[in-house]
Amino acid sequence: EAGVAQSPRYKIIEKRQSVAFWCNPISGHATLYWYQQILGQGPKLLIQFQNNGVVDDSQLPKDRFSAERLKGVDSTLKIQPAKLEDSAVYLCASSSPTYEQYFGPGTRLTVT
Amino acid sequence: AQKITQTQPGMFVQEKEAVTLDCTYDTSDPSYGLFWYKQPSSGEMIFLIYQGSYDQQNATEGRYSLNFQKARKSANLVISASQLGDSAMYFCAMFGNEKLTFGTGTRLTIIP
Repeated sequence: EAGVAQSPRYKIIEKRQSVAFWCNPISGHATLYWYQQILGQGPKLLIQFQNNGVVDDSQLPKDRFSAERLKGVDSTLKIQPAKLEDSAVYLCASSSPTYEQYFGPGTRLTVT
Repeated sequence: AQKITQTQPGMFVQEKEAVTLDCTYDTSDPSYGLFWYKQPSSGEMIFLIYQGSYDQQNATEGRYSLNFQKARKSANLVISASQLGDSAMYFCAMFGNEKLTFGTGTRLTIIP
């Protein structure tokens, strides 16, 4: 079974630029999550999708972050414009009806 | 609100010794799940073990066991016979209200 795929693995941008991350969950997993992990901290949930609907986006900075999950499969997370404090690893995870979440390799974003 | 506390920022353990990583949690939800994840330097989150709040027995997965003490709200991870490959960050997490909340992690270093 293929795991959660994410791209790119690394991205360096200047502040005020825009960036997008892509995630392909495990086939058949209805729930998809985006987490932000700042260095030295645990992952923080940004947004949770159930199929193509948003379940929880309470911690998503909506003035600059947006996410979509078209057709209930792949998802894209966008930041526009980026700030220095957005430097972090962005993790995508997916789950079936069980509790266990499977994580992708993450995208390491550096904003300079 | 749910909260996970990991009080050990870092630990050094001799190879082949057993190690216990501490985790305490707080929630008002009677139904919840507790997870441990391993995060190597490569960045991916690897699922290790799961304990449900109603499970009567402590969970075990190979060299990993979860010491679940519900009254004390603790869910410590025990790794038996540690190996050099166990060196990584370890995160305790709690699933409740459809959300996974992570602790700040413990960096475990195995010494040859």
